[in-house]
Amino acid sequence: DAKTTQPNSMESNEEEPVHLPCNHSTISGTDYIHWYRQLPSQGPEYVIHGLTSNVNNRMASLAIAEDRKSSTLILHRATLRDAAVYYCILRRNNDMRFGAGTRLTVKP
Amino acid sequence: EAGVAQSPRYKIIEKRQSVAFWCNPISGHATLYWYQQILGQGPKLLIQFQNNGVVDDSQLPKDRFSAERLKGVDSTLKIQPAKLEDSAVYLCASSLVTANTGELFFGEGSRLTVL
Repeated sequence: DAKTTQPNSMESNEEEPVHLPCNHSTISGTDYIHWYRQLPSQGPEYVIHGLTSNVNNRMASLAIAEDRKSSTLILHRATLRDAAVYYCILRRNNDMRFGAGTRLTVKP
Repeated sequence: EAGVAQSPRYKIIEKRQSVAFWCNPISGHATLYWYQQILGQGPKLLIQFQNNGVVDDSQLPKDRFSAERLKGVDSTLKIQPAKLEDSAVYLCASSLVTANTGELFFGEGSRLTVL
């Protein structure tokens, strides 16, 4: 399985940008980088995905390194509702396997 | 659009008893997943269906867990007999497309406590 490495936890202040890193040095050419987040007592929800180019959507931005061995999820202005566990996943066809993720704490 | 429905939300049983969880995916979603999430860990894939066929069940403990998806729509996950270590949240997810770009939609999960 293609593996990802994320910090166990991170803290941010409300209304400041947050950069959540993910290392995936064994990524293959056909693996897509997906990010999901899980709010307390809920199932995971999709955030964003990309292959090679940086991606933006209403929730976040995804910055992918040129060699694709790492990526960063960017929340432009963290709110208290962004406090969650964020998972970085390499998706190969139907394979969607989660790691332990990064627990983001947002301080008011 | 209705989301992924799961029931029951909570279940408490004693070890060696049996339990079943039900999942109704989003209409038209061909791919269905069952995950097990133990407290403090990320979700672990148990089984994946494409319509009513099994795509991947390599991490399903087949001596006690079984799952089916009759008619390619609803799915049930059964545990018999349950062990203490089966205490977890069981998450169902569905996806419209099977490509690398497909988004998974998760239900709220079924929390199992085995005493």
